[in-house]
Amino acid sequence: AQSVTQLGSHVSVSEGALVLLRCNYSSSVPPYLFWYVQYPNQGLQLLLKYTSAATLVKGINGFEAEFKKSETSFHLTKPSAHMSDAAEYFCAVFNAGNMLTFGGGTRLMVKP
Amino acid sequence: DTEVTQTPKHLVMGMTNKKSLKCEQHMGHRAMYWYKQKAKKPPELMFVYSYEKLSINESVPSRFSPECPNSSLLNLHLHALQPEDSALYLCASSLLHLDRGNEQFFGPGTRLTVL
Repeated sequence: AQSVTQLGSHVSVSEGALVLLRCNYSSSVPPYLFWYVQYPNQGLQLLLKYTSAATLVKGINGFEAEFKKSETSFHLTKPSAHMSDAAEYFCAVFNAGNMLTFGGGTRLMVKP
Repeated sequence: DTEVTQTPKHLVMGMTNKKSLKCEQHMGHRAMYWYKQKAKKPPELMFVYSYEKLSINESVPSRFSPECPNSSLLNLHLHALQPEDSALYLCASSLLHLDRGNEQFFGPGTRLTVL
């Protein structure tokens, strides 16, 4: 069965610092992986997706993620955090039933 | 038009009320989804419609009744809910359900409170 684990339910960074949100996947087939962001009282917005093309995926708002098969990871990064990046971030994988399975989420806090 | 809209934004209902949530998309997507999200948790899938037919029901109690009148519209009818059903209800759509590369587009959600 496909699943994802997000390490760290809360991450705090200073404005301008590197953002690193961790996601590890478990999959017996080549995975399709997604990162979504959820701002308070809003729905989920797709940041980026990996569908077995390039291993380095660039998304919106300056975010990118690298697919590493050897580490079964798909970590999300952004070189310089902005106050507006404060939100909940979800990593997700398509499971065998073609449904999205979400990780537990990571709340990103950005300090001025 | 690249968005999913949901109405109402907020809903407060008693346990004996009947209400409906509405979701609409005009992106030509043929798959639509209902999710339930409790505070500080990821979304949990409730229902999937593919080509206006219910294809997945994740063992949701019958007090939740989905309906897909046409390819652009998805409703969730609510009856005799319990306080623990209070949550954010999210609607999503994707081009096709069985294409694993298709991302899902989410609406802003309906915040439901059951008294």
